Amino acid sequence: GNSVTQMEGPVTLSEEAFLTINCTYTATGYPSLFWYVQYPGEGLQLLLKATKADDKGSNKGFEATYRKETTSFHLEKGSVQVSDSAVYFCALSDNTNAGKSTFGDGTTLTVKP
Amino acid sequence: GAVVSQHPSWVICKSGTSVKIECRSLDFQATTMFWYRQFPKQSLMLMATSNEGSKATYEQGVEKDKFLINHASLTLSTLTVTSAHPEDSSFYICSVNQGALDSNQPQHFGDGTRLSIL
Repeated sequence: GNSVTQMEGPVTLSEEAFLTINCTYTATGYPSLFWYVQYPGEGLQLLLKATKADDKGSNKGFEATYRKETTSFHLEKGSVQVSDSAVYFCALSDNTNAGKSTFGDGTTLTVKP
Repeated sequence: GAVVSQHPSWVICKSGTSVKIECRSLDFQATTMFWYRQFPKQSLMLMATSNEGSKATYEQGVEKDKFLINHASLTLSTLTVTSAHPEDSSFYICSVNQGALDSNQPQHFGDGTRLSIL
């Protein structure tokens, strides 16, 4: 079956630091990969996605590249802000699972001024 | 993009009460919606897939008689927690897959419902 493993948190960084949150996956098909962000007390929002190997998703300064050879989709940002403090979820979906997504356990990021 | 409205955002009620949560797809018709449960500092647990015009598909270990799902129209799915008890207290989130079964499309989430049973 499908699974997503992401870096355990919590992660605490100072403002303007470089961020990496690791994500690796296993899938039976050819999945699309997603990063979602959840701010306190809210639902999840799509941050970025990539639908095939070597695609790079980017949004709001965040980037992630779909690496089929390493089955990874690591999230990066060059300079984090306090407003980036949230929980980040890596997820995948493929056509073998009736539209369902498989989520990682989430990584809590706290950025301090 | 799609907008999903979930209501209410917060419910506090006494043990034994049944609570209904609504999930509306505002921008497009959704034949499939998903219901999740999230415990503090934990990931999303898929509870069930809500199917328009037919029975919901429940994940293993989820009591279908406890968590009633109705998807009577293409824009509305409801989750009713029947005879709720303190252990049912949690954050419930619905989502809609914009592309139906298209795995390239992301899910669009409601803002969640915080359920607290006293």
